[in-house]
Amino acid sequence: QVQLVQSGAEVKKPGASVKVSCKASGYTFTSYDINWVRQATGQGLEWMGWMNPNSGNTGYAQKFQGRVTMTRNTSISTAYMELSSLRSDDTAVYYCARVMAVASSSWFDPWGQGTLVTVSS
Amino acid sequence: QSVLTQPPSASGTPGQRVTISCSGTSSNIGSNYVYWYQQLPGTAPKLLIYRNNQRPSGVPDRFSGSRSGTSASLAISGLRSEDEADYYCAAWDDSLNNWVFGGGTKLTVL
Repeated sequence: QVQLVQSGAEVKKPGASVKVSCKASGYTFTSYDINWVRQATGQGLEWMGWMNPNSGNTGYAQKFQGRVTMTRNTSISTAYMELSSLRSDDTAVYYCARVMAVASSSWFDPWGQGTLVTVSS
Repeated sequence: QSVLTQPPSASGTPGQRVTISCSGTSSNIGSNYVYWYQQLPGTAPKLLIYRNNQRPSGVPDRFSGSRSGTSASLAISGLRSEDEADYYCAAWDDSLNNWVFGGGTKLTVL
């Protein structure tokens, strides 16, 4: 079945970078965009950006421009999200999600299990 | 502060019908499809409704969605204890060039 499996929890110091992986299985990795969404503890969902695994093209939310980089390794069907210059308010669970697109509409399905990133000195 | 506005909480007893609202603007709900995601405690969000009112296979027909103008709503009929979760609405925003979400509604089954 279609599945996205993310890397494990990370603890980072302020100012450091973190790279989260998202391994896809059960479908052709290069046929669907991957998006990243984060959720601070007890808070709502916040969209970070998208990546086309075929072309490598990306688009980032303005809030994260300059700090986030989304890449992929097609040989192992894995997407990556790297966030730099970490601050305490970047502490959150980070999700990857496959984008289903049909006739000018798109949605997230499925989602990865989430990766907790804790930023603490 | 979330771009889409949802009530923070909702509740009902088993068997009841509950509705969760989601309010936006002309640049998001008013011009794009609305999606609903269900997040059970300690798990990742899961697609519940797509394109305003479509259910993915496997989602019971107790769940239904609608959109009117710049607002949308999710209705759950025949409420069950396993429906206790957080529910999020989402839409693409043409002005922000961003996906935007509601702040989430925590549904409690009494």
